[in-house]
Amino acid sequence: QVQLQESGPALVTPSQTLSLTCTVSGGSINSDNYYWTWVRQPAGKGLEWIGLIYISGYTNYNPSLRSRVTISLGASKNQFSLNLSSVTAADAAVYYCAREWGLWGQGTLVTVSS
Amino acid sequence: QTVVTQEPSLTVSPGGTVTLTCASSTGAVISGDYLNWLQQKPGQAPRALIYSASNRHSWTPARFSGSLLGGKAALTLSGVQPEDEADYYCLLYYGGSWLFGGGTKLTVL
Repeated sequence: QVQLQESGPALVTPSQTLSLTCTVSGGSINSDNYYWTWVRQPAGKGLEWIGLIYISGYTNYNPSLRSRVTISLGASKNQFSLNLSSVTAADAAVYYCAREWGLWGQGTLVTVSS
Repeated sequence: QTVVTQEPSLTVSPGGTVTLTCASSTGAVISGDYLNWLQQKPGQAPRALIYSASNRHSWTPARFSGSLLGGKAALTLSGVQPEDEADYYCLLYYGGSWLFGGGTKLTVL
């Protein structure tokens, strides 16, 4: 059974880069032609799509975040990562990774504070 | 910038039927090919219910049904159960980007 798990620092300093990794277990990230995506949710608010990556390396980003976002395949073959630069308090949220829209990680809370 | 609108909140009685809708602020007809519905309960990750407008995932109870109605997407819950109380989000692909609706908070009362 495929599972996703987000990991990374829970606290990020303003103006720094937020870096998260999503680890895929129980299956290969290379199987089939899924896209792998990141979504975030500020406390008490709705969901926001951040971007996605195909195993080919093709990426697509939310236009509102495009200048600050990079999604990449991890050094490990079963990981993909999110980098969000120049963070502010508005980037504080629960960050989720997902395989297309049918399979989600449990989410990881990221706080932005000095 | 395109906004996807949903009813902010709805209330339904147990055993009743309720329809949630999802529309584009541009008035553009929503394409069913890339229309999803997700459910989120407090403290949990979202869970996909419907894909391609009307297809249930294998884990989605039959009381959930999706459709397209007059250019809008709709999610209908028939025979609502107490455990259906949750936030519901539509998600669509438009203009090269994925967009979430603002969500509907469904109360079962």
